[in-house]
Amino acid sequence: ETGVTQTPRHLVMGMTNKKSLKCEQHLGHNAMYWYKQSAKKPLELMFVYSLEERVENNSVPSRFSPECPNSSHLFLHLHTLQPEDSALYLCASSPEPGTGADTQYFGPGTRLTVL
Amino acid sequence: GQNIDQPTEMTATEGAIVQINCTYQTSGFNGLFWYQQHAGEAPTFLSYNVLDGLEEKGRFSSFLSRSKGYSYLLLKELQMKDSASYLCAVRDGDYKLSFGAGTTVTVRA
Repeated sequence: ETGVTQTPRHLVMGMTNKKSLKCEQHLGHNAMYWYKQSAKKPLELMFVYSLEERVENNSVPSRFSPECPNSSHLFLHLHTLQPEDSALYLCASSPEPGTGADTQYFGPGTRLTVL
Repeated sequence: GQNIDQPTEMTATEGAIVQINCTYQTSGFNGLFWYQQHAGEAPTFLSYNVLDGLEEKGRFSSFLSRSKGYSYLLLKELQMKDSASYLCAVRDGDYKLSFGAGTTVTVRA
């Protein structure tokens, strides 16, 4: 599925840096998601936006700040991260949340390393 | 809380069949999904079950028993390209997918 793109694909940052991850979906979907995937751990849902409104916020530290300017774009702003935040950050989108077979489609992820 | 269990690793021979089990205990249930994830790549959707029974899609089939909190993914006629991690996920409500840690399947020649 190439309908969800993420940039950058790899990012190395220091703990004092500020950076942003970008996700774009070309599928006309209504909902977008941020997940964190750490080694040998389940994917953890971080944020959900539906029609540009945040609908889920799963106890994520404030050093992660999402932004959804429109239904096609999603950002994750990062500041003063910790080494344990190093992980693969995956973006996903889905067409019609709340309907039967609504399926999430994932982007390739951004591999983040915090030094 | 959500609890989704699946085996960590499985190994099988090319051409064989492998069954990956998933058990779940979740506060709600609104469908179960299986995804395939090759190393360094995005998870890709394989199957969806919301009613009890078997869903077949080519070489892959998925089964669900809601009363038992149990699902399995069946991979038939294994090919080398099937070597990947397989993720079981339960949807609770409209948006939230809770994932298992994934099962790494290695296909040997």
